[in-house]
Amino acid sequence: AQSVTQPDIHITVSEGASLELRCNYSYGATPYLFWYVQSPGQGLQLLLKYFSGDTLVQGIKGFEAEFKRSQSSFNLRKPSVHWSDAAEYFCAVGARMGGGNKLTFGTGTQLKVEL
Amino acid sequence: KAGVTQTPRYLIKTRGQQVTLSCSPISGHRSVSWYQQTPGQGLQFLFEYFSETQRNKGNFPGRFSGRQFSNSRSEMNVSTLELGDSALYLCASSLVTSGGADTQYFGPGTRLTVL
Repeated sequence: AQSVTQPDIHITVSEGASLELRCNYSYGATPYLFWYVQSPGQGLQLLLKYFSGDTLVQGIKGFEAEFKRSQSSFNLRKPSVHWSDAAEYFCAVGARMGGGNKLTFGTGTQLKVEL
Repeated sequence: KAGVTQTPRYLIKTRGQQVTLSCSPISGHRSVSWYQQTPGQGLQFLFEYFSETQRNKGNFPGRFSGRQFSNSRSEMNVSTLELGDSALYLCASSLVTSGGADTQYFGPGTRLTVL
């Protein structure tokens, strides 16, 4: 069965500083990987996804993530954080099952941005 | 294009009652998935529907059920509500493609409180 680990429950960064959120996955086949962001009281917004090809993927809001198969990782990065980036971030792995697909999520990382 | 819509946004019920939540997918999306989000268990997959058929089901009791209509709209029902059913219920829709996983786009969720 697939699983996702986000080792950091909370992270605090200063506005303008760089950010890296860690994500490790466990999946037996080629993983389909996603990062979503959730603001309080809201649903999940897709930041970026990796299906195949270039291991460095670009997303919305200036985010990028790098897939490293040897490390089973898909870390999310942003060179300069803005106060509006404060939210909860979820990494997910997509698995094909029964002809359909299902997302397995990590426990999330709560990002706080200090002004 | 309009996003995924969920109604109602908020619900308050008492133990033992039943509840029905509704989800309208993005136009053209034929797959609808449901997830439960709680502080203790995080984001958990409930079930997925495609072409009015349940394709996948998560590890939830039979009190949780769903259906999909011919226009791809979906409903989920929870019978005999328990306090532990209090959660944010998220619906996600996706195009159905051959081959790899599909990208799921989430609605704003329905916040269910069971008293």
